[in-house]
Amino acid sequence: DVKVTQSSRYLVKRTGEKVFLECVQDMDHENMFWYRQDPGLGLRLIYFSYDVKMKEKGDIPEGYSVSREKKERFSLILESASTNQTSMYLCASSLVGQESETQETQYFGPGTRLLVL
Amino acid sequence: KNQVEQSPQSLIILEGKNCTLQCNYTVSPFSNLRWYKQDTGRGPVSLTIMTFSENTKSNGRYTATLDADTKQSSLHITASQLSDSASYICVVSDNNAGNMLTFGGGTRLMVKP
Repeated sequence: DVKVTQSSRYLVKRTGEKVFLECVQDMDHENMFWYRQDPGLGLRLIYFSYDVKMKEKGDIPEGYSVSREKKERFSLILESASTNQTSMYLCASSLVGQESETQETQYFGPGTRLLVL
Repeated sequence: KNQVEQSPQSLIILEGKNCTLQCNYTVSPFSNLRWYKQDTGRGPVSLTIMTFSENTKSNGRYTATLDADTKQSSLHITASQLSDSASYICVVSDNNAGNMLTFGGGTRLMVKP
């Protein structure tokens, strides 16, 4: 079974703090993703990475950065947390497309619920 | 702009009853459609995936249908159980480079005893 873990389930930070959210997957997946999930808005893609040291902006990258130094680890960084970044953050990973039913299926971590005061 | 709309937003049913969740999409070019189940406080878990040529796919008590002509999908849950209480998310992948995903807002289902 694919396992995607996130460093914290719940996090409380103050405005202006630097915040690190860590994600680790154990299935040697090439692709990794960071989403935020807000009520009524569904999941929105922040950043993704298709290889070590590679990163691409998603739909809402502003205020965030990412780091992929190792294949299994993808970090989301809030340089200066703001209250509008209070959200549920979900990490996911997937294989590069294969000719199978699970092609590109993303496997999600349990989520980190971040509250910025 | 690619969009995925789900209805209803929320649903309450009694244990043992059936229900159907709807998903309409405008993603183009279409690659595949997935239904995910997300338990409260957890990440989404894939239930089914369908490509353009498939119009039905089952996973236990969950049956997904796809009409690629009308760009509609449904998820039918049979003989609901309390553990079916969750959010159900429809996700559509395009066929462009990168296979980007467009997520629906989800349907929140509550199954009452």
